[in-house]
Amino acid sequence: EVQLVETGGGLVQPGGSLRLSCEASGFTFNSYWMHWVRQVPGKGLFWVARISHDGSSITYADSVRGRFTISRDNAKNTLHLQMNSLRAEDTALYYCTRDYDCSGNSCQLYGMDVWGQGTTVIVS
Amino acid sequence: EIVMTQSPDTLSVSPGERATLSCRASQNVNINLAWYQQKPGQAPRLLIYRASTRATGVPARFSGSGSGTEFTLTINSLQSEDFAVYFCQQSNNWPRTFGQGTKVEIK
Repeated sequence: EVQLVETGGGLVQPGGSLRLSCEASGFTFNSYWMHWVRQVPGKGLFWVARISHDGSSITYADSVRGRFTISRDNAKNTLHLQMNSLRAEDTALYYCTRDYDCSGNSCQLYGMDVWGQGTTVIVS
Repeated sequence: EIVMTQSPDTLSVSPGERATLSCRASQNVNINLAWYQQKPGQAPRLLIYRASTRATGVPARFSGSGSGTEFTLTINSLQSEDFAVYFCQQSNNWPRTFGQGTKVEIK
């Protein structure tokens, strides 16, 4: 079964840090771009960060750049999000998801087709 | 940043009827547009990618169309399980951006 499982959320004071993890199973993790997307309950979806399949390319939303660091360990099929200098507005449910499939000669976009169940971060 | 605007915010539809949801991008996103369905307490589910390609396992009553800046998600013959919130999302530019969502509710 293709699955993503996020862990690491919790309650943290403003200015504090948390490290989220996302464990992948059931697919070739090192073939996919991975993303973090967050959502305030009852609100919309906000894209946070992305890392390419081999970790060579990383992109952040402006509001988290310089505070958050996305990384991956392909040997352990795990994605991470190190969150520093947390603010109240970072409070949300954080999902990991995948999109670009780079298993072929080129990367193909199939949409964010697998999502975890999310992990909740509360900054208060 | 590309702003994605969905309309309407809420759509009231009777079971068995058709629902038409719109998504407008503030800049050209070509066909790099996806649609997601989200039910309460669940993660988003991919319905459509590349504007018109149904994801694996998505029923044929869901269809997507459009390119450039104007996109449509059509749900034919709405079933009870289709009442949910729908989001569009562009993958043409960074940052990736989502629409604010359209809630499809029972009329």
